Amino acid sequence: DAKTTQPTSMDCAEGRAANLPCNHSTISGNEYVYWYRQIHSQGPQYIIHGLKNNETNEMASLIITEDRKSSTLILPHATLRDTAVYYCIVRVDGGGADGLTFGKGTHLIIQP
Amino acid sequence: EPEVTQTPSHQVTQMGQEVILRCVPISNHLYFYWYRQILGQKVEFLVSFYNNEISEKSEIFDDQFSVERPDGSNFTLKIRSTKLEDSAMYFCASSLTRGNTGELFFGEGSRLTVL
Repeated sequence: DAKTTQPTSMDCAEGRAANLPCNHSTISGNEYVYWYRQIHSQGPQYIIHGLKNNETNEMASLIITEDRKSSTLILPHATLRDTAVYYCIVRVDGGGADGLTFGKGTHLIIQP
Repeated sequence: EPEVTQTPSHQVTQMGQEVILRCVPISNHLYFYWYRQILGQKVEFLVSFYNNEISEKSEIFDDQFSVERPDGSNFTLKIRSTKLEDSAMYFCASSLTRGNTGELFFGEGSRLTVL
């Protein structure tokens, strides 16, 4: 089972920042937090990942709490095309398990 | 931008028939994966493949399933005798490296319908 907890759905107004929370209270020291999204049954798309420092790329920012038990994905200026299911995934570092374990994710709906 | 391509986009088959789903991973990638998603359910890991052998597989990936990299470009998933419950979207993915430096790139999927 997925080691993360996310809200089932969220709404956000177009042009505003979308903040998607994720709880991963049992995360261990060698596990990273990954975010993927899936737009309407297309293949999942990588967004961002991090270990303990906050991360930013051209798509989003990832804020990880100091105790690493939760994180927030921020889409700074949401557009209608950001409507998707967003998955927060905890993944062990290196060797062994390769497979990503997807949960049910958060269905983010961007409202015009 | 390089991408993972999958064929066919949709296949309809009769129960008991063999099906081969094909994938062309990104050319310099070394790790290959199959996932599936039954309609309305979660994306599920099936198998990972590296250096011409399976490196990990899930409980779903039973003896009815097999994977192969028959040449330098294709990566295939074969279902030997399809069942109704194999109806799903099958996603191929590839990555350059393993573990947490290995971002997975997914294809657009192949929809399998078993009648």
